[in-house]
Amino acid sequence: EAQVTQNPRYLITVTGKKLTVTCSQNMNHEYMSWYRQDPGLGLRQIYYSMNVEVTDKGDVPEGYKVSRKEKRNFPLILESPSPNQTSLYFCASSLWASTGANVLTFGAGSRLTVL
Amino acid sequence: AQTVTQSQPEMSVQEAETVTLSCTYDTSESNYYLFWYKQPPSRQMILVIRQEAYKQQNATENRFSVNFQKAAKSFSLKISDSQLGDTAMYFCALDTGANSKLTFGKGITLSVRP
Repeated sequence: EAQVTQNPRYLITVTGKKLTVTCSQNMNHEYMSWYRQDPGLGLRQIYYSMNVEVTDKGDVPEGYKVSRKEKRNFPLILESPSPNQTSLYFCASSLWASTGANVLTFGAGSRLTVL
Repeated sequence: AQTVTQSQPEMSVQEAETVTLSCTYDTSESNYYLFWYKQPPSRQMILVIRQEAYKQQNATENRFSVNFQKAAKSFSLKISDSQLGDTAMYFCALDTGANSKLTFGKGITLSVRP
C-alpha cells in the first residue's frame, strides 16, 4: 500500500530531551515536507525537501532540524524540545514539487507533548 | 505572501441536508491550485477536492462541489446530502507553486446531526 509512515504516533517528553520523529514513504516521491498543526492556526510548514540532500526552511523552522540522506526518509529532529513545540505533526510527500499538480500524501500524524 | 481565511470556526447541519463552507484567499500569483482537505477524528488528512485556478469550471467530486470565484478570491465547498461520516474538520488550502507548500486556513469544524 502506498503510504507515508510516521513514528511515533504519540509521544510525551520533557523539556530539553532530544527526540526524532521519523517519516518514511514508499512511493519513490522526490518531495517531502513537515507541517505542524495547532488549534486556531491550521497547518504550517516547518521544513521541506526537494530531493536527497536538498532541504530548506518553511514558515516555522525554529527549534527543528531535518535531514534527507535517503529518498524515502525525512526525519524531523527536535534537539532541545520546549513546551511551545507541543503540537500535532504531519509528514507529507509528493512525486515532485510543482504547482498543485502533485497532490500531497499525508502521514497519519504524530501527537507530541513536551512537559 | 499568500493567505487563506476561514472565518467560520464551526457549523452544524442536519443529516441529508446541504451545507456550504466558506473560504477566501489572497495571492498575487495568476496560476495556483486550491484544495479542501477533510480531517476526521482519526486526524488523517484526506483530500476532498482540488480546483485549478485557470479552469473556470467548478470542480465536483460526488456529493462535494466548489464555487470558485476567482475575481472575488473565494472558494467555498458545498456538501450535498450530508452524511454522519462527513463530521470532521475541513481545511481550505492554497498552493501557488512555491515549493509545493500548502498555505492552510484555520479550519472549520463541521458536525452532522442525525
